[in-house]
Amino acid sequence: SQTIHQWPATLVQPVGSPLSLECTVEGTSNPNLYWYRQAAGRGLQLLFYSVGIGQISSEVPQNLSASRPQDRQFILSSKKLLLSDSGFYLCAWSPPGDQYFGPGTRLLVL
Amino acid sequence: EDQVTQSPEALRLQEGESSSLNCSYTVSGLRGLFWYRQDPGKGPEFLFTLYSAGEEKEKERLKATLTKKESFLHITAPKPEDSATYLCAVRKDSSYKLIFGSGTRLLVRP
Repeated sequence: SQTIHQWPATLVQPVGSPLSLECTVEGTSNPNLYWYRQAAGRGLQLLFYSVGIGQISSEVPQNLSASRPQDRQFILSSKKLLLSDSGFYLCAWSPPGDQYFGPGTRLLVL
Repeated sequence: EDQVTQSPEALRLQEGESSSLNCSYTVSGLRGLFWYRQDPGKGPEFLFTLYSAGEEKEKERLKATLTKKESFLHITAPKPEDSATYLCAVRKDSSYKLIFGSGTRLLVRP
């Protein structure tokens, strides 16, 4: 069966520091991969998606970037965090069709 | 503009009191409507995908239905463990993107 991992689970970072969140998927090959952000009490906002290694599509212009160095690895990065980057970050994967989410990373920027 | 609206924002039920959650959508070329359950601090858990008007799917006490303009998630004789936020999302033709509503927070009291 397929499993999706995210780490770290929780992260507290100062404003202006860099960020790297990692997502890996097991038990499948060539998945579509997604990064979402969820603000408190709100729905999910798609940030990036990828249909293959090195292929990244950005949905929202912002302070973040994404990379896919391996088939089942998806990384969310920032060079300098802003207060507004705080939130719950979710990685998801799909074959064509349904999307399945990871456990999420809670990011607090102080 | 593509939009997904969920109602009510919050719902309190007594154990055993059946009810329905609503998800209305305006999107051209619906390719699928998705329901997820999300517990506090966790990633969304996939429940159902509906593809065409008239389709119904069931899982334990949950039943999802779809029309051309909205979907209902019916909860029959809910239990306290059904307490969670329920998220609805739609996918358009020729798109990998899911458009999410802001969710319904369900609380079931014993």
